[in-house]
Amino acid sequence: SQQGEEDPQALSIQEGENATMNCSYKTSINNLQWYRQNSGRGLVHLILIRSNEREKHSGRLRVTLDTSKKSSSLLITASRAADTASYFCATDDQTGANNLFFGTGTRLTVIP
Amino acid sequence: DTAVSQTPKYLVTQMGNDKSIKCEQNLGHDTMYWYKQDSKKFLKIMFSYNNKELIINETVPNRFSPKSPDKAHLNLHINSLELGDSAVYFCASSQEIQAGINEQYFGPGTRLTVT
Repeated sequence: SQQGEEDPQALSIQEGENATMNCSYKTSINNLQWYRQNSGRGLVHLILIRSNEREKHSGRLRVTLDTSKKSSSLLITASRAADTASYFCATDDQTGANNLFFGTGTRLTVIP
Repeated sequence: DTAVSQTPKYLVTQMGNDKSIKCEQNLGHDTMYWYKQDSKKFLKIMFSYNNKELIINETVPNRFSPKSPDKAHLNLHINSLELGDSAVYFCASSQEIQAGINEQYFGPGTRLTVT
C-alpha cells in the first residue's frame, strides 16, 4: 500500500509554540503535499514539495522532504488556536493518474 | 463562489437503498475524484475521472459508480447500500497533471449514515 503514516497521531501544544508533524511513505514519489482538515470540513491544500526539493516555506509553514528516508515533516511556527485541525500528508503514485494517497493524519490542538 | 460543492451535506438512509451524491466544481478543472473517509479519518481514493479516463480503485465495490454528465460534475451513485458504506465522502478536483503539480481542491464532504 502507498498509504503514508503521520506521527504523532495527536499533538497538543500551547499557543505560540511550534508544532512539528512527521510523515513517512513507502514508494517513490513525484511530489508530497500537506493538507489541513478542520473538524467537519473538507481538506485544504497547504503546500506541495517536489521530490527534487529538500525544503519549502510558506508563511508560518516549513516542509522538509528526505526521499532517501521516505519521510517529510511539517513545522508550524508560532502556532495559533486557529491552527487546531487535522493535518495530512499525501503522495502521488507516479502512474500519472494524479491519485493522491493520504496518511493517517495528525490531530493538532493549539491551546489558547 | 464555492469552488467544489457537494450535495447533500448529510444523508441518512436504510440498508438496501440506492442513493446519489452530487458534486460540482467551477474551477474549470479537468479531473475530478471521489474519496471515502472512515470513522478513523482514514482517507482513501475511490475514483479519479477526466474526459479521457475513469480510474477505479480496485477495492471499491461495483455497487459504487461515478457518473459525469459534463466536465464540471462527477456524481457518485451507490446501489444496495450497506452498513459499512457509512462514512464521509469527499469530492475533489484538479487540473490535469502537469509537471508533477496535482494540488487538489476538496468539497465540504457528504456524511452518509446507513441504518
